[in-house]
Amino acid sequence: DAGVTQSPTHLIKTRGQQVTLRCSPKSGHDTVSWYQQALGQGPQFIFQYYEEEERQRGNFPDRFSGHQFPNYSSELNVNALLLGDSALYLCASSLLTGGSDTEAFFGQGTRLTVV
Amino acid sequence: GNSVTQMEGPVTLSEEAFLTINCTYTATGYPSLFWYVQYPGEGLQLLLKATKADDKGSNKGFEATYRKETTSFHLEKGSVQVSDSAVYFCALSGQYGNKLVFGAGTILRVKS
Repeated sequence: DAGVTQSPTHLIKTRGQQVTLRCSPKSGHDTVSWYQQALGQGPQFIFQYYEEEERQRGNFPDRFSGHQFPNYSSELNVNALLLGDSALYLCASSLLTGGSDTEAFFGQGTRLTVV
Repeated sequence: GNSVTQMEGPVTLSEEAFLTINCTYTATGYPSLFWYVQYPGEGLQLLLKATKADDKGSNKGFEATYRKETTSFHLEKGSVQVSDSAVYFCALSGQYGNKLVFGAGTILRVKS
């Protein structure tokens, strides 16, 4: 059973560019959350998707947007990249039952470097 | 809002030493509490959890007890191994969803 898979594992972008990161949830999971982990810091919640809609959102600007597809996979898009967007982006999947999620499983992350 | 504070590292121990990593939290309602571990170059793995006051989570020799009176969830292990070297994150989730709030992480280095 494949766990949470993310692609790409690393990428380098230039300031002002746009980037798309991808996530496939663990089999049987229907909810995807995205986190940003800056170097030496704990992960910060960006947003969560369930049934193809944004369910919760953290304190991130509108430059950060997402999408969930019918097969539960998800994309994170970041526009107008800033140097400060350089971080490890983590995807986590879970199963939403009775209004409260089960345990979240994390992918290996995508290391984004903005130059 | 909800927040988590954990002891700063790095924590350096010799093999077979006793480990404590302190974690305190601020939250409304009745959060669930977690410890995650991150090995170099990898994502996060759930180490243990507790969902209500006085619950003890345990896994792989690690333990933590949910103390509502002191708003704490300290991680302990009686005898650490070199393979335990990693970054440990304390986290909480609110009562109505799985949005996780993490502490800054504590680096653990175990010497042989």
